[in-house]
Amino acid sequence: AQRVTQPEKLLSVFKGAPVELKCNYSYSGSPELFWYVQYSRQRLQLLLRHISRESIKGFTADLNKGETSFHLKKPFAQEEDSAMYYCALTRGNEKLTFGTGTRLTIIP
Amino acid sequence: DARVTQTPRHKVTEMGQEVTMRCQPILGHNTVFWYRQTMMQGLELLAYFRNRAPLDDSGMPKDRFSAEMPDATLATLKIQPSEPRDSAVYFCASGRGTDNSPLHFGNGTRLTVT
Repeated sequence: AQRVTQPEKLLSVFKGAPVELKCNYSYSGSPELFWYVQYSRQRLQLLLRHISRESIKGFTADLNKGETSFHLKKPFAQEEDSAMYYCALTRGNEKLTFGTGTRLTIIP
Repeated sequence: DARVTQTPRHKVTEMGQEVTMRCQPILGHNTVFWYRQTMMQGLELLAYFRNRAPLDDSGMPKDRFSAEMPDATLATLKIQPSEPRDSAVYFCASGRGTDNSPLHFGNGTRLTVT
């Protein structure tokens, strides 16, 4: 069975400091990994996906198959990054399995 | 900018009452998902439809929950009878049904059962 683990429910980081939100997965095949973000009072929205290999709002995430990880990183945190972040996995269709989420708070 | 629309935004009800949540997917999307969000469990998939047909509802308590798509523009999630442990935010999402296409989420229905 596929599973996504986000070990940190809460993460606080000072503005300007580096951010890393951890995500580990378990799946025997070749998964597709995503990061979704939910800003305060807004709907859940796609932040980035591993197949795109892109940087969105300064965030990047690299799929490490050896460590079965897909950590989200940003070198310099900004106050507007405060949000709930969900890591998600799919087997190549749209059915997403989400982690429990990490609430990121950026301290001014 | 097309969006998934969910109603109501908030619902407070007493234990034992029936609750119906509605979702209007984005026009042209042929997959619809219902997720439940809680602090402890995060986002759990309840039901998944493709072309209005239910493909997976294994995450849904069958005795009290039901999900339907009466037509392509409406998906419903019903709880009867509701219980306090059903209190959560329920999200609907729709997609184009192609590999790796992102899901578009609604604003959710915040349900409180007292």
